[in-house]
Amino acid sequence: DTGVSQDPRHKITKRGQNVTFRCDPISEHNRLYWYRQTLGQGPEFLTYFQNEAQLEKSRLLSDRFSAERPKGSFSTLEIQRTEQGDSAMYLCASSASAGGMNTEAFFGQGTRLTVV
Amino acid sequence: GDSVTQMEGPVTLSEEAFLTINCTYTATGYPSLFWYVQYPGEGLQLLLKATKADDKGSNKGFEATYRKETTSFHLEKGSVQVSDSAVYFCALGVMDTGRRALTFGSGTRLQVQP
Repeated sequence: DTGVSQDPRHKITKRGQNVTFRCDPISEHNRLYWYRQTLGQGPEFLTYFQNEAQLEKSRLLSDRFSAERPKGSFSTLEIQRTEQGDSAMYLCASSASAGGMNTEAFFGQGTRLTVV
Repeated sequence: GDSVTQMEGPVTLSEEAFLTINCTYTATGYPSLFWYVQYPGEGLQLLLKATKADDKGSNKGFEATYRKETTSFHLEKGSVQVSDSAVYFCALGVMDTGRRALTFGSGTRLQVQP
């Protein structure tokens, strides 16, 4: 296993277009997270899945954002009607459930979105 | 809500200098604390962690001690190398609030000069 994989690595889109990102977690990990990171800031939590269930969503996740993890493996994050403020690095992370927060979260390299 | 405050960077040091990056936190509940590192062009990697008060996390010569009384988790290294140049993020996670996500600080860029 090569770790958490994200695709694409870079995406440039015009304002108003829809974009979709994919994340493939480490295969035995049942927890999957999406974060957003803007320049000079730390990652901000967007949403969290345990298996296929989306258990938590941040208030940052507006109605234009939707995430799925249909079979409890890979996940997609879609942004509809993109805005320039959506420009950021979108990070995916996965972890194994072991009773609590002690479990390390492994991060992908991220998808950098630029909305022009 | 939960928050993490880190010292602003960039921090510029000469090779073999002593490093301290300050991190303080506020949390509802009893957090676990983490330092993540992001090398240029790479993803975030866990550097070290501590799960209860007075625990010391250590890895690759870096150390941080969980200080509940001062709500701090400062990162230290006795002798930095050029290869330590990266962005360092302090983070917390609070299991007993039911959340599974981490709250990150804004990051501190470290530049080590030969």
